[in-house]
Amino acid sequence: KNQVEQSPQSLIILEGKNCTLQCNYTVSPFSNLRWYKQDTGRGPVSLTIMTFSENTKSNGRYTATLDADTKQSSLHITASQLSDSASYICVVTLSGANNLFFGTGTRLTVIP
Amino acid sequence: EPEVTQTPSHQVTQMGQEVILRCVPISNHLYFYWYRQILGQKVEFLVSFYNNEISEKSEIFDDQFSVERPDGSNFTLKIRSTKLEDSAMYFCASGDPGVNQPQHFGDGTRLSIL
Repeated sequence: KNQVEQSPQSLIILEGKNCTLQCNYTVSPFSNLRWYKQDTGRGPVSLTIMTFSENTKSNGRYTATLDADTKQSSLHITASQLSDSASYICVVTLSGANNLFFGTGTRLTVIP
Repeated sequence: EPEVTQTPSHQVTQMGQEVILRCVPISNHLYFYWYRQILGQKVEFLVSFYNNEISEKSEIFDDQFSVERPDGSNFTLKIRSTKLEDSAMYFCASGDPGVNQPQHFGDGTRLSIL
């Protein structure tokens, strides 16, 4: 069964600190892995997209890694800001398809 | 920056009624999608649409659902004979061709079935 699992479910960090969010997936065959940021009451916004051959991709203070052998990904956020408070969702695309499999997300809260 | 816009932001409907959710995708995009997110749960794929026809659909997208691109700008999701369990946030997304292209999401329509 195609699944995407994320951990932790929620996380609270102090402003300025770094954090790492985890994603494990069983989607196969795999096309790409995406990280999205979803603010409360808003639609998801794409942060990174990585294909099978890529093992790291950065977007500003966000750096995603991918290990396609172990089917794990992480999202590292550097020097967190209050505006980083949101849900971060790991999404995996099935190869040859356009539908996306979403994780349940990690709810990040950055406090002053 | 171009955006995907969805209307209405909140729709309240009696069970058994039909509802149409509307989306205006980004103008030069060719792929269109609908997703739903039941409160507290993960986002789920419903359907993708390309070249004026459904390209893929999930098990959720049964005969109760239909999609249409009635003109050059709008993309609609129709739910016939709504059920209580259809209450959810419905997101529209659009994107360029290519599986590695980002999908751009609207801010959703919250559908409440009474």
